[in-house]
Amino acid sequence: EPEVTQTPSHQVTQMGQEVILRCVPISNHLYFYWYRQILGQKVEFLVSFYNNEISEKSEIFDDQFSVERPDGSNFTLKIRSTKLEDSAMYFCASSQQGVSYEQYFGPGTRLTVT
Amino acid sequence: AQTVTQSQPEMSVQEAETVTLSCTYDTSENNYYLFWYKQPPSRQMILVIRQEAYKQQNATENRFSVNFQKAAKSFSLKISDSQLGDTAMYFCAFMISSNAGNMLTFGGGTRLMVKP
Repeated sequence: EPEVTQTPSHQVTQMGQEVILRCVPISNHLYFYWYRQILGQKVEFLVSFYNNEISEKSEIFDDQFSVERPDGSNFTLKIRSTKLEDSAMYFCASSQQGVSYEQYFGPGTRLTVT
Repeated sequence: AQTVTQSQPEMSVQEAETVTLSCTYDTSENNYYLFWYKQPPSRQMILVIRQEAYKQQNATENRFSVNFQKAAKSFSLKISDSQLGDTAMYFCAFMISSNAGNMLTFGGGTRLMVKP
């Protein structure tokens, strides 16, 4: 069964450094998403992406964040200058179409900012 | 803004018994979708069940069923014949049908422990 993959599984970085989290969505999916989950808290929407542009973004997704689909398979989340509060689990998801269609989640990348 | 509330931080159930997890939401929208996601210790989010707000019939998926009360804005999940593998965090989630970004809004989660 096709699945969303994410790399790395765990990333440790120092405050102020740039990080890139990578995701490979399911191949025939057209919609891509990033969510994050701070330890012990709820899952929060960051951004959705369709047709090579951002469809929607939350208040969390400020200028420090960017997303890109550099080729036909990868979908990346970049954090330009990490802060301690960026420490969280970051989930990538993809869906074949839009509303009501199941969003398939990847296993997540645990980001630790020290 | 939409909010999703799960009032039970933790629950436990004996294997083979039935358990119901509660979820309420607040919205002024009329057309939307509701979901239950399971997050086992592996942390991966897995869709359990989906309900369209325009459908009166409650969704069922094998041992999982929902009690959708639109007027009360309630969306509970019933797990029948609980199995040890059902031990996980369960998140209720909401999506507006007109939302271009397909954003899911999650509740705070309920940690379910199935005891042998």
